[in-house]
Amino acid sequence: ETGVTQTPRHLVMGMTNKKSLKCEQHLGHNAMYWYKQSAKKPLELMFVYNFKEQTENNSVPSRFSPECPNSSHLFLHLHTLQPEDSALYLCASSQAASMSDTQYFGPGTRLTVL
Amino acid sequence: AQSVTQLDSQVPVFEEAPVELRCNYSSSVSVYLFWYVQYPNQGLQLLLKYLSGSTLVESINGFEAEFNKSQTSFHLRKPSVHISDTAEYFCAALQGGSEKLVFGKGTKLTVNP
Repeated sequence: ETGVTQTPRHLVMGMTNKKSLKCEQHLGHNAMYWYKQSAKKPLELMFVYNFKEQTENNSVPSRFSPECPNSSHLFLHLHTLQPEDSALYLCASSQAASMSDTQYFGPGTRLTVL
Repeated sequence: AQSVTQLDSQVPVFEEAPVELRCNYSSSVSVYLFWYVQYPNQGLQLLLKYLSGSTLVESINGFEAEFNKSQTSFHLRKPSVHISDTAEYFCAALQGGSEKLVFGKGTKLTVNP
């Protein structure tokens, strides 16, 4: 398998549920990112990890908790979400966390919070 | 703070017609500029980028964009579009020294037969 993969592709959850999104990159990259893509809004950077260390938290609410156990895997743990958190969550990776490096995106997880 | 404006949320065109998708950024300081494309049900793919050097950059599928510092623009053009170009296109900018890539709201290009 190549590129950046994300699972699940679709997720429906209630506000009291706990779920996790998974991202895996097969490109040998050292940096990984979570983005939120909402309808009618620009893509928003949420978190950046560089060599497994979090280097950016873009004022994301604590109900979103990222985890990066190694350079190939990135998780986004979700708990007590709100309906306005419904969006497409995109994972990306790049060779390093220099933003001039090309970022490769996964297909995203479409999240619906009821 | 850096911001990116894509004035057109939707652009419908006929096949083989030329197209221009507009993008303006807010900063006049050193900046890196990108165009990403998102096909239906897929993630974003880098189309082209401007880091330095020639102000005209090209992609492998016939798109080009020109960095215009005086107008703070980075418009995307293609002289003749195909139905397969139907997608959403995102302009993004990174200010020198920053790690945050700022995206525009996107422009949905629909190519009709």
